[in-house]
Amino acid sequence: EDQVTQSPEALRLQEGESSSLNCSYTVSGLRGLFWYRQDPGKGPEFLFTLYSAGEEKEKERLKATLTKKESFLHITAPKPEDSATYLCAVSGSARQLTFGSGTQLTVLP
Amino acid sequence: ETGVTQTPRHLVMGMTNKKSLKCEQHLGHNAMYWYKQSAKKPLELMFVYSLEERVENNSVPSRFSPECPNSSHLFLHLHTLQPEDSALYLCASSQDPDRAAAYEQYFGPGTRLTVT
Repeated sequence: EDQVTQSPEALRLQEGESSSLNCSYTVSGLRGLFWYRQDPGKGPEFLFTLYSAGEEKEKERLKATLTKKESFLHITAPKPEDSATYLCAVSGSARQLTFGSGTQLTVLP
Repeated sequence: ETGVTQTPRHLVMGMTNKKSLKCEQHLGHNAMYWYKQSAKKPLELMFVYSLEERVENNSVPSRFSPECPNSSHLFLHLHTLQPEDSALYLCASSQDPDRAAAYEQYFGPGTRLTVT
């Protein structure tokens, strides 16, 4: 059974204070690891797909990396508008996405 | 309209009512999904349709009944729900994972359901 664990559950940062969110996973035959952003009362917004260990992707202040056991979402010099819940999901041999519980990020001005 | 749309955005229903949730995708995808999102819990996959055929049904109670009349539309029919069914119901679409290299799912805004 695929499993995804995200940490921390909640993170409060000052504006400009860089940090990382962690996504640990166990999956039978990783096909892809996905990062999403979710604002309150809205559906998740797709950010990145990572397919193999060593892969990295960037978008504005966000950078996602992948190893064989975990993925990190690095946030550089965050702004208040980066406040959201960040979700990680994996796709394995079952084709379905298995989601973690998310990290709720708050960036204070 | 672009992306994935869902209606209604909010729904309050009694335990004896029958209602339907609607989802429409404008992305040219061929797979659609229903998820349930409850507070402090991971998204729970309910149903998967690929090329209009149901391919997954993750032990969902029969009071939830999906329908996929074509690759752009997905419905979730609700009847005799329980208060614990109150949640955010999300629809998503993607290319079929077995037929496409890129199959990330794109989500609609969700329907906030309250069962009284």
